[in-house]
Amino acid sequence: ETGVTQTPRHLVMGMTNKKSLKCEQHLGHNAMYWYKQSAKKPLELMFVYNFKEQTENNSVPSRFSPECPNSSHLFLHLHTLQPEDSALYLCASSLGSDSYNEQFFGPGTRLTVL
Amino acid sequence: DQQVKQNSPSLSVQEGRISILNCDYTNSMFDYFLWYKKYPAEGPTFLISISSIKDKNEDGRFTVFLNKSAKHLSLHIVPSQPGDSAVYFCAARRLTGGGNKLTFGTGTQLKVEL
Repeated sequence: ETGVTQTPRHLVMGMTNKKSLKCEQHLGHNAMYWYKQSAKKPLELMFVYNFKEQTENNSVPSRFSPECPNSSHLFLHLHTLQPEDSALYLCASSLGSDSYNEQFFGPGTRLTVL
Repeated sequence: DQQVKQNSPSLSVQEGRISILNCDYTNSMFDYFLWYKKYPAEGPTFLISISSIKDKNEDGRFTVFLNKSAKHLSLHIVPSQPGDSAVYFCAARRLTGGGNKLTFGTGTQLKVEL
């Protein structure tokens, strides 16, 4: 238990569906991250939020829309995804994002796009 | 272009023996390196790190060695235990100017056999 929870743990959706992934951290951190891990590929950073402000968008397609209403919650809204978007989506948090602070990861959401 | 590479997707070691996991990087701007461990259905958890000003860091059974000239690092686990069976990710970041962005390798699945 790392103090970072993610729901749902598994999600199957069609290409025309709209769904959201949720992440919550109970560590008092100020920075939150979304990562994507596709099969046989390294974890790829998607977005970084620091004090609710987006500080990094790693050229992610607009069909992925993040939202950070407060420092404890992070969402990833999904719409009109493609089958190649099927992956493990991991959320992480850290004390800050402007210098090294250990990142704590949630268990991930396994997403399958049909 | 993968900047952090773990060329061995899997490694099998007998209990009590040494496990050596390897990682190579190409970006000479990286100056801080981390190892994460991941069990199935859990997120990665931080294991050990090393700054580029050092060539060795030890924490109990885990030691990380850094060879800057070869752009190579390795994680040694001795003695290996069955509970060490997991996927090990190497990660790197730039301490200056890189924010808290981590670049990960693809991971090495370690199996410690009885």
